[in-house]
Amino acid sequence: AQTVTQSQPEMSVQEAETVTLSCTYDTSESNYYLFWYKQPPSRQMILVIRQEAYKQQNATENRFSVNFQKAAKSFSLKISDSQLGDTAMYFCAFMKAAQKLVFGQGTRLTINP
Amino acid sequence: EPEVTQTPSHQVTQMGQEVILRCVPISNHLYFYWYRQILGQKVEFLVSFYNNEISEKSEIFDDQFSVERPDGSNFTLKIRSTKLEDSAMYFCASSADTDTQYFGPGTRLTVL
Repeated sequence: AQTVTQSQPEMSVQEAETVTLSCTYDTSESNYYLFWYKQPPSRQMILVIRQEAYKQQNATENRFSVNFQKAAKSFSLKISDSQLGDTAMYFCAFMKAAQKLVFGQGTRLTINP
Repeated sequence: EPEVTQTPSHQVTQMGQEVILRCVPISNHLYFYWYRQILGQKVEFLVSFYNNEISEKSEIFDDQFSVERPDGSNFTLKIRSTKLEDSAMYFCASSADTDTQYFGPGTRLTVL
């Protein structure tokens, strides 16, 4: 079974700084997807970014980018120029095509003014 | 932009009562999911649904749970006899293909 591990329960940075959230996963599959979801205090699950395992190029979405290391089974999220609105829980998730998402435990990120 | 909707936003019920949580997935989506999140914990998979049948279910999804797509738009999760430990946030998600799942805002279920 696939597992996802987020080793940083909490992180805190100053506004405008860059922060990197770590995620590792375990799978024997070669084709899969990886995601980062953001959960603000409202508890809504918001998609931040996705990565297809067969693509070597790291995904980027505005201030959000990933460092995908397939051999190391690592999928970190970098947030540049962090903003107060980035304060949230961040969940890393693994998925085989058309199957369930497997989530990590989450990292609580606080952006301080 | 199309979005997944869920009703109610908050449901309070007595232990042993039946509850039905409702979801309206994005209209052209084909794959439907229910997840739950106990407060302070990670999001856990309950069940997936495709082509009018369950495609996968977790250990949590026992005989007390059922899902249904009664018409072309709604997707429901029923808990027949609620327990205290069923108190959680329940999320519906849908996807158009084998890829990204989009989540609804969740229903907070409180069992007293």
